[in-house]
Amino acid sequence: QVTLKESGPVLVKPTETLTLTCTVSGFSLSNARMGVSWIRQPPGKALEWLAHIFSNDEKSYSTSLKSRLTISKDTSKSQVVLTMTNMDPVDTATYYCARIVAGTLQPDYWGQGTLVTVSS
Amino acid sequence: QSALTQPASVSGSPGQSITISCTGTSSDVGGYNYVSWYQQHPGKAPKLMIYEVSNRPSGVSNRFSGSKSGNTASLTISGLQAEDEADYYCSSYTSSSTLGVVFGGGTKLTVL
Repeated sequence: QVTLKESGPVLVKPTETLTLTCTVSGFSLSNARMGVSWIRQPPGKALEWLAHIFSNDEKSYSTSLKSRLTISKDTSKSQVVLTMTNMDPVDTATYYCARIVAGTLQPDYWGQGTLVTVSS
Repeated sequence: QSALTQPASVSGSPGQSITISCTGTSSDVGGYNYVSWYQQHPGKAPKLMIYEVSNRPSGVSNRFSGSKSGNTASLTISGLQAEDEADYYCSSYTSSSTLGVVFGGGTKLTVL
């Protein structure tokens, strides 16, 4: 059974750095056919892809947020970490991690999401 | 990456069929058969309903079907049921500027 679970702070202050962790089970981060994406959704708004990472450490970032994002993985812990610097209130959103399929990059299994609020 | 274009809302009565469109460009929808559709109920995570344009994951009702023509993909739901009321998002592989995924703006389906 594939599961993903996001964890991290519920509240961050403007200009702070957000660090989110995605812990996966039911598949291995060393599987060449699978990767993990981070996707966010501001309240009442659409989904926005942020970044992805694969077993060979191949990474890709959203063009608009690339300067603020870093994605990494710890295969032994089955964890993928996303950091986003210089947080702003407009970054308030539910952040999801999702398993993706190599080649298509399409998410198939999603975590439950974690709501992050940016406020002083 | 620019978002894919979806209608903001569609509606239908129980038993009817509806179609939701998703329009992109030759760098995403039109260039690859890597289009997915997701159903999202309020407060819940998205659920994969269609992948690679027209394939249904195990457990998804055959009332859901997908297709593509040129730069536009479509999701059709037949025999509408009250439980189908949700937001629907399309996504596509994109090769514009960076290799990744682009999502549609979402469509609110109301079952009358």
